[in-house]
Amino acid sequence: EAGVAQSPRYKIIEKRQSVAFWCNPISGHATLYWYQQILGQGPKLLIQFQNNGVVDDSQLPKDRFSAERLKGVDSTLKIQPAKLEDSAVYLCASSLEIGPYEQYFGPGTRLTVT
Amino acid sequence: KQEVTQIPAALSVPEGENLVLNCSFTDSAIYNLQWFRQDPGKGLTSLLLIQSSQREQTSGRLNASLDKSSGRSTLYIAASQPGDSATYLCAVIHGATNKLIFGTGTLLAVQP
Repeated sequence: EAGVAQSPRYKIIEKRQSVAFWCNPISGHATLYWYQQILGQGPKLLIQFQNNGVVDDSQLPKDRFSAERLKGVDSTLKIQPAKLEDSAVYLCASSLEIGPYEQYFGPGTRLTVT
Repeated sequence: KQEVTQIPAALSVPEGENLVLNCSFTDSAIYNLQWFRQDPGKGLTSLLLIQSSQREQTSGRLNASLDKSSGRSTLYIAASQPGDSATYLCAVIHGATNKLIFGTGTLLAVQP
């Protein structure tokens, strides 16, 4: 079974530029998550989708971050404009359904904002 | 608000030693507790998942316990190896939110 795929793996941009990350979850997984992991901290949930609907985006900085999950499969996370404090690893995860199901993580995208 | 704490923040041990990593959480209304491993520059690998009705889970040299009433979990690693060197994260799925809330991790170094 293929795991969660993410691209790109690394990205370096200047502040005020925009950037987009892509995630392809495990086939058949209805729930998709985006996490932000700042160096030295544990991951923090940014947004959670159930199929193509948003379940929880309470910690998403909506003035600069946006995410979508078209057709309930792939998802993109966008930052526009980026700030220095957005430097982090962005992790995508998926689970079979919403609720206490095991989440499977992708390799992450390491973003550096200079 | 659920908070997850891991102690120690870093640990260095000689190869072959048994060790314990600690995780505590403030709200006992959890569904699951999960231990992850994270290698530098990599994503998270799930090690063990303990459901709220369980007391422990074992996989190979790893054993995780859960005491909901005291808000604590431990990850026991037997006969540590240099390949065990990584950051270990615990996370809880909180009953009210159904989302993973992570601790800050323990950075483990096993010296050959």
